[in-house]
Amino acid sequence: QKEVEQDPGPLSVPEGAIVSLNCTYSNSAFQYFMWYRQYSRKGPELLMYTYSSGNKEDGRFTAQVDKSSKYISLFIRDSQPSDSATYLCAMISGNQFYFGTGTSLTVIP
Amino acid sequence: SQTIHQWPATLVQPVGSPLSLECTVEGTSNPNLYWYRQAAGRGLQLLFYSVGIGQISSEVPQNLSASRPQDRQFILSSKKLLLSDSGFYLCAWSQGQFGNTIYFGEGSWLTVV
Repeated sequence: QKEVEQDPGPLSVPEGAIVSLNCTYSNSAFQYFMWYRQYSRKGPELLMYTYSSGNKEDGRFTAQVDKSSKYISLFIRDSQPSDSATYLCAMISGNQFYFGTGTSLTVIP
Repeated sequence: SQTIHQWPATLVQPVGSPLSLECTVEGTSNPNLYWYRQAAGRGLQLLFYSVGIGQISSEVPQNLSASRPQDRQFILSSKKLLLSDSGFYLCAWSQGQFGNTIYFGEGSWLTVV
């Protein structure tokens, strides 16, 4: 079993839709949780990171962590064509980083 | 603020030729430095990481090597490239012994022909 599981998609939604991206993990020692956005042929860009269970909001983005279920989510409200990218989740245990394989999102105008 | 620079952005190299990818970090000291390779649908593969000058840990045996000649400089090298070395290479950094996040460079696309 992989440490981090992420549905690769692809996911296609109309502009303005609410997008839900998810990752599950198996290691209860994971402490910090991150979401990255990666445009084609570019490096991943940090979107959000959070430590505790619960929600963290930043503009149209909300990161949610449920440590009891080992499940994290990223919600995008009012999705825009510029949100079309691959989204990667990431986690830390000690000084080791673990990444999901990424979910490809397309927002259709 | 901290920034990371990685170059070249794109390169096409013949089989058997050498490789040198460079990465520098600005605005911080004693960062942890990483080289990853990203393959479509397979996620990020950690190749090398370094916690200090001259300290390199290799995660995957291959014909690539890494060096850290200065605190904020990380170099990925090969003496003779293989076709299988083609891919997208990412340099990254994190802070301290238990840095709570990692930041990536823009990446280098390598095509071995």
